[in-house]
Amino acid sequence: EPEVTQTPSHQVTQMGQEVILRCVPISNHLYFYWYRQILGQKVEFLVSFYNNEISEKSEIFDDQFSVERPDGSNFTLKIRSTKLEDSAMYFCASSSRPGPDPGNTIYFGEGSWLTVV
Amino acid sequence: ILNVEQSPQSLHVQEGDSTNFTCSFPSSNFYALHWYRWETAKSPEALFVMTLNGDEKKKGRISATLNTKEGYSYLYIKGSQPEDSATYLCAMNTGFQKLVFGTGTRLLVSP
Repeated sequence: EPEVTQTPSHQVTQMGQEVILRCVPISNHLYFYWYRQILGQKVEFLVSFYNNEISEKSEIFDDQFSVERPDGSNFTLKIRSTKLEDSAMYFCASSSRPGPDPGNTIYFGEGSWLTVV
Repeated sequence: ILNVEQSPQSLHVQEGDSTNFTCSFPSSNFYALHWYRWETAKSPEALFVMTLNGDEKKKGRISATLNTKEGYSYLYIKGSQPEDSATYLCAMNTGFQKLVFGTGTRLLVSP
């Protein structure tokens, strides 16, 4: 069964360093998302991406975050200068139909656990 | 602020027990409700996407119902097995490009 894959599964980084989290969405999907879950909190939306541009972003997704689809298969999340509070599980997701489509199934990867020290 | 709530937070049952949990959401601006099953170290697995009031969906021993007028969905597991142990997440789609998740219900099924 097709799946969303993410790398790395776990990364430890120093505060202030840049981090890139990588995702390979399901191959025929056109809509891509990043979510995160801080330990003990709800899974929360960061950003959605379609047709090489951001379609929606949350207030969490400030200037230190960026997303890119560099080569037609990968979808990346970059955190420019990490803070302690960026420590979380980051999930990539993809779908074949747009988010508002009520029948849309959004498929998630296993997550990348980021620890900022 | 849109708030999706799930209850109970955790549940411990014996193998063979049937169980159910609740997802509550605002009934206004409803587009769809998603249920996911999430085992540790695995990706959240999509179980159901429910859109219509009165919807009932079934996948094996797991089923779900939806009441959009009163803003709740129930997830039922019939004859729980140890492999059903996981966190069950619901998420509301309000018609934009994002899902709003509940806190999840952690289910543990003992043999």
